[in-house]
Amino acid sequence: NAGVTQTPKFQVLKTGQSMTLQCAQDMNHNSMYWYRQDPGMGLRLIYYSASEGTTDKGEVPNGYNVSRLNKREFSLRLESAAPSQTSVYFCASSERALYGYTFGSGTRLTVV
Amino acid sequence: GESVGLHLPTLSVQEGDNSIINCAYSNSASDYFIWYKQESGKGPQFIIDIRSNMDKRQGQRVTVLLNKTVKHLSLQIAATQPGDSAVYFCAEIRTGFQKLVFGTGTRLLVSP
Repeated sequence: NAGVTQTPKFQVLKTGQSMTLQCAQDMNHNSMYWYRQDPGMGLRLIYYSASEGTTDKGEVPNGYNVSRLNKREFSLRLESAAPSQTSVYFCASSERALYGYTFGSGTRLTVV
Repeated sequence: GESVGLHLPTLSVQEGDNSIINCAYSNSASDYFIWYKQESGKGPQFIIDIRSNMDKRQGQRVTVLLNKTVKHLSLQIAATQPGDSAVYFCAEIRTGFQKLVFGTGTRLLVSP
C-alpha cells in the first residue's frame, strides 16, 4: 500500500511563479491536511479538509489555496510564489484526527 | 494561545542508554496525545499515543507518560539505538476538534 503520495518531491520556483502540489491517499480516509515545516518551527497547518467537499483554513493559509478534488486527492496551490514560502510541505490524512495522521514523504520547495 | 512545546531542542545519548523526551502542553482540555518520529528527509511517523484517561502506555521499547496535573508528556525510549536518531514531536488534540497541534520537536542524537 502506498499510503500518502506527494508529488513532486523537489521543486524550485522563481518569485511570482505558480504551482500546484499534489497529494493522494489510498486508505479511504475522510480527512486530509497540508502542513509546512520550517527549521525550528515544527509543523504548521496551512489548510485541511475534514471530509470530501469541505476545506478550512489552518494557522498559516495566506498565499495558498486548496482543492479537495475527491476523497483521495487534496491539492495545494501557490498562485504567486514568494521566498517566504520556501519550506518543506507535508500532506497527511486520517480517518479521524483522534486516530492520528499518516504523512507523505514531503515536497521540498525553494522559491528564489 | 494554545500551544504544545518541548523543553529540550537536542538530546544526545550513547547507544544503549535510556532516553527521555519531554513535552509541555497548555490546553487543559486536550484529551489525546501522540508522539511522532521524523527521520531526515521523511515525513513524521506515528510512534505511540495516549488518551487523557491514562497515565502511562507502553509500546515496544517506548513508554509515554502523561501528567495532567502539570500538563506534561514524556516519551521514554529504552536501550536507545542509532536508528532512533530522529526528531521527535508531540501533538495534542481535543475531542470534537479536527486538527492535531504539533510541538516544535526535539532532535535525538544517538552515538555508537
